Amino acid sequence: EAGVAQSPRYKIIEKRQSVAFWCNPISGHATLYWYQQILGQGPKLLIQFQNNGVVDDSQLPKDRFSAERLKGVDSTLKIQPAKLEDSAVYLCASSLALGYGNTIYFGEGSWLTVV
Amino acid sequence: AQTVTQSQPEMSVQEAETVTLSCTYDTSENNYYLFWYKQPPSRQMILVIRQEAYKQQNATENRFSVNFQKAAKSFSLKISDSQLGDTAMYFCAFIESLLTGTASKLTFGTGTRLQVTL
Repeated sequence: EAGVAQSPRYKIIEKRQSVAFWCNPISGHATLYWYQQILGQGPKLLIQFQNNGVVDDSQLPKDRFSAERLKGVDSTLKIQPAKLEDSAVYLCASSLALGYGNTIYFGEGSWLTVV
Repeated sequence: AQTVTQSQPEMSVQEAETVTLSCTYDTSENNYYLFWYKQPPSRQMILVIRQEAYKQQNATENRFSVNFQKAAKSFSLKISDSQLGDTAMYFCAFIESLLTGTASKLTFGTGTRLQVTL
């Protein structure tokens, strides 16, 4: 079974530029998550989708971050304009369904460095 | 708000020895799941083991086992017969049971860096 796929794996941009990350969840998984992991910290949830609807985006900095999951499968996370503090690994994850009993599976992450 | 605390930033263990990583959490809920995730340098989060709060029996997966103390809100991970490949960051994570259909948030601790040495 294929896992959660993410691209690009690595990205270096200058501050105030924009960047987009793509995620393809495990086939059949209805719930998709984007996490931000700053070096030395645990991952922090940015946004959670159930199919193509947003379930929780309370920790997403909406002035610069946006995410969509138009057809309920793939998702894109965009940052515009980027700040130095956005340097982090962006982890995409998916689970079969909403609800605490479903195991969450993670991709390998997209490393962002803002200089 | 739910919190997860890992008080050991770094640990070291010799190959073939046993090591225990600590985790405590805070919740007012009665139903929840606890997880240990392993994160090697590649940064992919790999599920090691999970425990359902209503199950009294401690979960075991091969060389990995947990000591779940619900009253103390403690969830430690024991790694037996440590191998060089176990070297990684280990994160304790927690998710509560909320109302059906409501978003449940997976909350992580700050991690413990484990180094397995020869």
